[in-house]
Amino acid sequence: GAVVSQHPSRVICKSGTSVKIECRSLDFQATTMFWYRQFPKQSLMLMATSNEGSKATYEQGVEKDKFLINHASLTLSTLTVTSAHPEDSSFYICSAGRDSSETQYFGPGTRLLVL
Amino acid sequence: KNEVEQSPQNLTAQEGEFITINCSYSVGISALHWLQQHPGGGIVSLFMLSSGKKKHGRLIATINIQEKHSSLHITASHPRDSAVYICAVFPGTYKYIFGTGTRLKVLA
Repeated sequence: GAVVSQHPSRVICKSGTSVKIECRSLDFQATTMFWYRQFPKQSLMLMATSNEGSKATYEQGVEKDKFLINHASLTLSTLTVTSAHPEDSSFYICSAGRDSSETQYFGPGTRLLVL
Repeated sequence: KNEVEQSPQNLTAQEGEFITINCSYSVGISALHWLQQHPGGGIVSLFMLSSGKKKHGRLIATINIQEKHSSLHITASHPRDSAVYICAVFPGTYKYIFGTGTRLKVLA
């Protein structure tokens, strides 16, 4: 099956710094990648849809300037949490698919802790 | 009512027991995923199903499209199977719908 990786798997940072999380499709070209956030003991919540070469589409309530998404190539999307605060501490998961109408393959997730 | 319902929400089993986790959904789908999330948070994609049955080691997943129901079975359960199991359905548009997860604990 298709493989999606995320890096780093976990990161600890100081409040006010920015953190970049990478999502890569290892064995296929991903036109569309999705970013999810998961709060403790809750289900995954879609944050944004990232399409290669165009601006991301954010879900209602997600701050575009806070969570910067770049999908510069068919195998890489990045999520940058800018000026991170402790309330941004969460588990961030990406998924990738060949296009938005096809099923997605999930990455293992990245745990962010902001001190 | 959630579009994707999982049962049970919590399950404790003794090592060696046969375990079944159920997922019912109310929307038309093109695929269904079973995901495993360990206490550390990492997600592992176990199965992607659009029909029938798949088997991988001690894990078996089935889906009945007409009944809008899927089951995940674990044979000869082991403490390392302790995790949260999440059912996610793909309606064919871009947005997955996730179940709330089943928290499994297997005791030695």
